[in-house]
Amino acid sequence: DIQLTQSPSFLSASVGDRVTITCRASQGISSYLAWYQQKAGKAPKFLIYAASTLQSGVPSRFSGSGSGTEFTLTISSLQPEDFATYYCQQLNSYPITFGQGTRLEIK
Amino acid sequence: EVQLLESGGGLVQPGGSLRLSCAASGFTFSNCAMSWVRQAPGKGLEWVSSINRNGGNTDYPDSVKGRFIISRDNSKNTLYLEMNSLRAEDTATYYCAKEVVAWVGCMDVWGQGTTVTVSS
Repeated sequence: DIQLTQSPSFLSASVGDRVTITCRASQGISSYLAWYQQKAGKAPKFLIYAASTLQSGVPSRFSGSGSGTEFTLTISSLQPEDFATYYCQQLNSYPITFGQGTRLEIK
Repeated sequence: EVQLLESGGGLVQPGGSLRLSCAASGFTFSNCAMSWVRQAPGKGLEWVSSINRNGGNTDYPDSVKGRFIISRDNSKNTLYLEMNSLRAEDTATYYCAKEVVAWVGCMDVWGQGTTVTVSS
């Protein structure tokens, strides 16, 4: 199975900050990576696929990059509604796996 | 509006069975692969199962293989998850999700979830 490790697991930041979350895969997955946002008590929301393609309707302050084993999710200027938990997901092979999550909180 | 509505969760004893349903609306259900993903209380996301458009191909992680069965009825726009030999570690909120047509495994629409509690 392909393991995904996100760092950091917890991130404290302020509105307006630029933040980056890293997702590392245990083996190469080309660009078969997606990102999701989940707010407390809610279902996940699909943000990015193919490592860097923004899903329709997702604000442009979100961006993704990377290929192979290292990927990043960047939020260029944090907004109050961005404080949530973020998960990466690999689609390269079954079983589909998720990272353990990065919880982004207000400083 | 694209919607997924799960039902069927509840309290079940260890070793018991439960069947979850997911009613889809607002899109052509038969054109989309579908998945189930679960989240144990306070934990991360875990993929549980996927099924292709016509139901002819299914996948499971080892943690549920042989115990869970995913199926679909395209005439009823409904996805199912039959869960057998339930264990305490199956306790979670179960989400159904629609997969992006061109990107198998990417889940662009999620239901609100249904809670399964396995306890005596």
